Amino acid sequence: DAKTTQPNSMESNEEEPVHLPCNHSTISGTDYIHWYRQLPSQGPEYVIHGLTSNVNNRMASLAIAEDRKSSTLILHRATLRDAAVYYCIPFLGGSQGNLIFGKGTKLSVKP
Amino acid sequence: DAGVIQSPRHEVTEMGQEVTLRCKPISGHDYLFWYRQTMMRGLELLIYFNNNVPIDDSGMPEDRFSAKMPNASFSTLKIQPSEPRDSAVYFCASSFSGNEQYFGPGTRLTVT
Repeated sequence: DAKTTQPNSMESNEEEPVHLPCNHSTISGTDYIHWYRQLPSQGPEYVIHGLTSNVNNRMASLAIAEDRKSSTLILHRATLRDAAVYYCIPFLGGSQGNLIFGKGTKLSVKP
Repeated sequence: DAGVIQSPRHEVTEMGQEVTLRCKPISGHDYLFWYRQTMMRGLELLIYFNNNVPIDDSGMPEDRFSAKMPNASFSTLKIQPSEPRDSAVYFCASSFSGNEQYFGPGTRLTVT
């Protein structure tokens, strides 16, 4: 399984962009990069995933390095509701089943 | 859709008692996962099913834990007998074709 490295914690101001980095230098060529987040007292929530190209959805953008050894989750305008632990997870998907959650990055958002 | 439904949301029981946690996955999803979260160990996968068949139960801690999925809309995780170290939040998740997973709200289990 690919090992990931994320900062333990980050702080942001409300309505400012947030860039959450993740290193996954041992990722296999077929693993997608998934991001999940866990708000306080809730279950994890899918955010976004990608393989090689940058990806956008209503929640966030995902920028993937050309060598795929790192990626950055971008929240364009942080809100108080975005305060959560963010997990970066290399994941093949399909019948390969299980997500392996690391410690993630705890994002605090200041009003 | 109501999302993944788990019951009960909170369970307090005494050591030695049997505990049954329940999960209703999202309709149409063919994968179901059971996770456990503690401060010490983080979020870890216990077992997952594909089309109601257990695929990987290597994360189940010991024989005291068992999981079943009798049909596509229901799964149980049973602990018998329960021990204080089983205290944790247990999450159920489901997905379609093994892609993004949708998690339930969790069951907070306290064993005294």
